[in-house]
Amino acid sequence: QSVLTQPPSMSAAPGQKVTISCSGSSSNIGSNFVSWYQQHPGAAPKVLIYDKNRRPSGIPDRFSGSKSGTSATLGITGLQAGDEADYYCGTWDGSLSAWVFGGGTKLTVL
Amino acid sequence: EVQLLESGGGLIQPGGSLRLSCAASGFPFSGYAMSWVRQAPGKGLEWVSGISYSGGSTYHADSVKGRFAISRDSSKNTLYLQMNSLRAEDTAVYYCAKEVGGDPHYGMDVWGQGTTVTVSS
Repeated sequence: QSVLTQPPSMSAAPGQKVTISCSGSSSNIGSNFVSWYQQHPGAAPKVLIYDKNRRPSGIPDRFSGSKSGTSATLGITGLQAGDEADYYCGTWDGSLSAWVFGGGTKLTVL
Repeated sequence: EVQLLESGGGLIQPGGSLRLSCAASGFPFSGYAMSWVRQAPGKGLEWVSGISYSGGSTYHADSVKGRFAISRDSSKNTLYLQMNSLRAEDTAVYYCAKEVGGDPHYGMDVWGQGTTVTVSS
C-alpha cells in the first residue's frame, strides 16, 4: 500500500487531454513539492515535473503539474502514442523522513 | 553531459552483502543530494535511501533501515549503497538518482540506467 494514491490505469485517445491524480496527506503533498516521473517499459524513470512545477529542458509544455491541498495532478495535453507509459508521483514525507512514491498509473493511448 | 553509471549488482544468496556504486559525471557532485530508488520485477518505484550534498545527513526507508547504508565519496564523485542481510524481497533493479537540491527532499532530475540485484539461493 503506497503512501500516495494514484489510479492504477487510465486510457485516452490520441490528441486528447488526460489528468492523473495523486492523493496524499498534510505530511507529504500538503507541505512539500511534488514531482512526476515517466517510465517506459525496460527504461529508467525520467522526470517530467519537479520543484514548483518546473519542467526540465526537453520536456514539452504538454506536460504540466498542479497541486491543491493534499492532492496533486499531472496534466498531459495533445496525447501522443509515445506518451504511453507508467507515471509516478513522488514527494518528501516529513513525518516519515522519507521520500514516497505513488503506486504508479499505467497510461494507455488508444 | 550529466551521467550516472551504476555497478555492483548481481546474484547473491539470502543473508549476503553487496555494495552498489554510482559514478557521477557532468555536474558538481558535491553540490547535490543523491538517492537510491529500486523497482522489484513488475512493481512500482520504491525509494530506498537518500544522502545530503555533504553526506552529513542520511535517510533510509523503513524496509532497509539497519541493513542498508548510503554513503558518498566526493573525491571520487561516487555514491555507494552498502546492502547487508539481503532478503529475497530486496530483489530489484536499483537506480541511482541525482536530487535537484542539496537535500533529498525536492525530487530527482537525473537517473542512471540501473543495476540488477537478485537475492536467491
